[in-house]
Amino acid sequence: DAGITQSPRHKVTETGTPVTLRCHQTENHRYMYWYRQDPGHGLRLIHYSYGVKDTDKGEVSDGYSVSRSKTEDFLLTLESATSSQTSVYFCAIKTVSTDTQYFGPGTRLTVL
Amino acid sequence: TQLLEQSPQFLSIQEGENLTVYCNSSSVFSSLQWYRQEPGEGPVLLVTVVTGGEVKKLKRLTFQFGDARKDSSLHITAAQPGDTGLYLCARRDGNNRKLIWGLGTSLAVNP
Repeated sequence: DAGITQSPRHKVTETGTPVTLRCHQTENHRYMYWYRQDPGHGLRLIHYSYGVKDTDKGEVSDGYSVSRSKTEDFLLTLESATSSQTSVYFCAIKTVSTDTQYFGPGTRLTVL
Repeated sequence: TQLLEQSPQFLSIQEGENLTVYCNSSSVFSSLQWYRQEPGEGPVLLVTVVTGGEVKKLKRLTFQFGDARKDSSLHITAAQPGDTGLYLCARRDGNNRKLIWGLGTSLAVNP
């Protein structure tokens, strides 16, 4: 499983509140990703990182920000959560040697 | 823009049946990955195909990369309930920093 953990695993919050999701890896992989997965839309990339303090936007980045101050942690922040951000969020790393993405267990976020 | 088209979107079959799912693109790609996602979990890589015409087998799963490297298929022989899940194909983007994903084929194998 490439040593990827996500926290929290489940969260229920209210519209307008800030939310931060954490992805932690133990194997010093350079590339990390945040996706959301919704029925009918598949996996959609929110943001990704290709090194400490190096991040870039994905296809659905509006309303989300990220930070990576150290190799092992990649944080996803919803500054002001909306109901449209109710989703399952997956973190992933990429191994450069095999170009494979390994995913964390996911976080189910519900915004009421 | 959806650059990888997967079909069918949904498939429900009985245990023991054979099936094929497809991943197509209008452009050539250098390689293609197939992932399976079981309910409640993240996707897991099954195989990477690189060479046009390549065929790879993983037990009862057979993966084929089209000669023109624009399409790929996954064939499952004698499907079992444990094959149930979402099958996703993905290709590298131009700068090789991220993957472009298909929407997936949701497979249900009924006992």
